[in-house]
Amino acid sequence: GAGVSQTPSNKVTEKGKYVELRCDPISGHTALYWYRQSLGQGPEFLIYFQGTGAADDSGLPNDRFFAVRPEGSVSTLKIQRTERGDSAVYLCASSLGANQPQHFGDGTRLSIL
Amino acid sequence: RKEVEQDPGPFNVPEGATVAFNCTYSNSASQSFFWYRQDCRKEPKLLMSVYSSGNEDGRFTAQLNRASQYISLLIRDSKLSDSATYLCVVGGATNKLIFGTGTLLAVQP
Repeated sequence: GAGVSQTPSNKVTEKGKYVELRCDPISGHTALYWYRQSLGQGPEFLIYFQGTGAADDSGLPNDRFFAVRPEGSVSTLKIQRTERGDSAVYLCASSLGANQPQHFGDGTRLSIL
Repeated sequence: RKEVEQDPGPFNVPEGATVAFNCTYSNSASQSFFWYRQDCRKEPKLLMSVYSSGNEDGRFTAQLNRASQYISLLIRDSKLSDSATYLCVVGGATNKLIFGTGTLLAVQP
């Protein structure tokens, strides 16, 4: 069956621009997670949705980062006034529910020039 | 101190060798434990969950010691296709996963 789908696969933009990254979870998965991974590091937690609500957003680095999941399925991660330090691979994962194994998408490679 | 610590490697081993990875975690309230595998420029993929009783999946054996807050992964009869980064992962009460930096394994012919 279809896995977690993320678009775009690559995004290059200039410092100061606004970007949106999309995640389409596995059908039926109620939990959705965003992580980001810098070179040589493991993925770092950003935010977790259970259904439509953000159950834990403690990993968002600052108020330039925001994520939504309005219908409990597709989620969008939004980054305002991008900075070069935001460059990373942004990974989305979904799971059937709490404490279930998480399945990752291919990620969006974001490069801020 | 990082919440999940792993030796970054690289571990260079010949085909057929047995190799062991270790990991420690700092939060005693952690509730779930996993090993993920990540190939270069690819997404992490679940290799196996880790249970206190220990569990085995073919050539792979995982162990958890809650008292010592220590997790291990043993790979027997290494294959070239096992070459990847192995991520030790710990889950807490809020479902977020905490990843180690990963251990790079290179299996040589």
